[in-house]
Amino acid sequence: QKEVEQDPGPLSVPEGAIVSLNCTYSNSAFQYFMWYRQYSRKGPELLMYTYSSGNKEDGRFTAQVDKSSKYISLFIRDSQPSDSATYLCAMTPTGNQFYFGTGTSLTVIP
Amino acid sequence: NAGVTQTPKFQVLKTGQSMTLQCAQDMNHNSMYWYRQDPGMGLRLIYYSASEGTTDKGEVPNGYNVSRLNKREFSLRLESAAPSQTSVYFCASNTLGLAADTQYFGPGTRLTVL
Repeated sequence: QKEVEQDPGPLSVPEGAIVSLNCTYSNSAFQYFMWYRQYSRKGPELLMYTYSSGNKEDGRFTAQVDKSSKYISLFIRDSQPSDSATYLCAMTPTGNQFYFGTGTSLTVIP
Repeated sequence: NAGVTQTPKFQVLKTGQSMTLQCAQDMNHNSMYWYRQDPGMGLRLIYYSASEGTTDKGEVPNGYNVSRLNKREFSLRLESAAPSQTSVYFCASNTLGLAADTQYFGPGTRLTVL
């Protein structure tokens, strides 16, 4: 069983829609949770990180962590065509070894 | 600041050939990482270096060696390339390996082993 599971999609939504991206994990030692965005043929870039359970909001993006369910989510409000990318969740217990999901491919249609 | 740079950007090797992927960062980060990214597998950690002079194995270290040459540079070597090592390789760095500290990724090296 993989440490981190993520639905690869692809996901296609109309511009302005609310997008929900999710990951599940099995290791209860994970404490730090991150979402990265990766454009085609580029390296990943950090969007948001969260420590332990709870919500964090940054502009149109909201990250949620539910440690009791071992489930994390990223919500994108008012999605834009520029949000079209692959979204990777990542997590770590301590900060030295990071475990990534396989990524969800998102297309926002104008 | 160039951030994290990787060379080469593309490489084609024949089975059994060797090569070294170079990575450098100019952000004074202590920790550096090598990942490979394959379709359906996501990013997997090959090796990391928490600080200058130390290296540790990640999830998929077999067939690779690394050298932390100095604080700025972290190289990945394939001694005898195999088709299974066809992948996109990313180098990353951050400060002290703190999870809350952003990992900055390089642009990647696309390697094909025939």
